[in-house]
Amino acid sequence: GQQVMQIPQYQHVQEGEDFTTYCNSSTTLSNIQWYKQRPGGHPVFLIQLVKSGEVKKQKRLTFQFGEAKKNSSLHITATQTTDVGTYFCAGPKAGGTSYGKLTFGQGTILTVHP
Amino acid sequence: DGGITQSPKYLFRKEGQNVTLSCEQNLNHDAMYWYRQDPGQGLRLIYYSQIVNDFQKGDIAEGYSVSREKKESFPLTVTSAQKNPTAFYLCASSRTGDNTGELFFGEGSRLTVL
Repeated sequence: GQQVMQIPQYQHVQEGEDFTTYCNSSTTLSNIQWYKQRPGGHPVFLIQLVKSGEVKKQKRLTFQFGEAKKNSSLHITATQTTDVGTYFCAGPKAGGTSYGKLTFGQGTILTVHP
Repeated sequence: DGGITQSPKYLFRKEGQNVTLSCEQNLNHDAMYWYRQDPGQGLRLIYYSQIVNDFQKGDIAEGYSVSREKKESFPLTVTSAQKNPTAFYLCASSRTGDNTGELFFGEGSRLTVL
C-alpha cells in the first residue's frame, strides 16, 4: 500500500538555526499537504502543494513539491521557539473521491533551544 | 466561531467496555473523518463519511464503529474488540466539491484503557 516516509524523526536546533524535514511517498501524489501539531495540541493545516516543482513561502517557511510529485520538503529559516512542534506531511490516498482521506508521514518532532 | 468539538478530552476505560467519542462540527462540511494517533506515529484513518447516512472503513477500522445520522455529528465507538485502544483520537472535517482535502481537526480525545 501507499507509504509516506518522513525524515528525520527528531530534530533539535538552537534558536536561530535553520531546519528542514523531508517527505517521500511510495506513489505519485496529486497534491501534498503539511500540518503542524503543537505539543499537546491538534494538527493544524499549513499548506497544500499541487503542481510539480511548486515552491511556496509563508514568512520563514518554504515548502517544495518535487518534480516527480513523490517528495516534498519544509524548510524553516532562523527557527524560533514558537516553531516547536511536530510537522507532518500527508498525501491523498490512491483512488476514491474523498480528498480528506490522507496518508500521513510519521512526522518530524522539532525542538528549539533558546 | 466555527469549528469541531470533541468530547470528552480525556477518557479512561476498563477492558471489555465500549466507549463512544463525540464529534460535532458547525463548519457545514459534508465530509468527516476519524484518525488515530499513537506516540511517534503519524495519523491513521479509522473511518470516514462523505455524506449523511453513509460511511466507509479506513485503514484500521477493526474494533471501531461509527454512525452519521446528522451532517453535524460523527460519533466513534471504540468497542471491546479493539485490541489496543489506548490512543489519541482526532476527528476532522473537510469541504467537498473542490480540489482540496484540507482537514480541520478537533482538539482530540485521549483514551486510556486501564
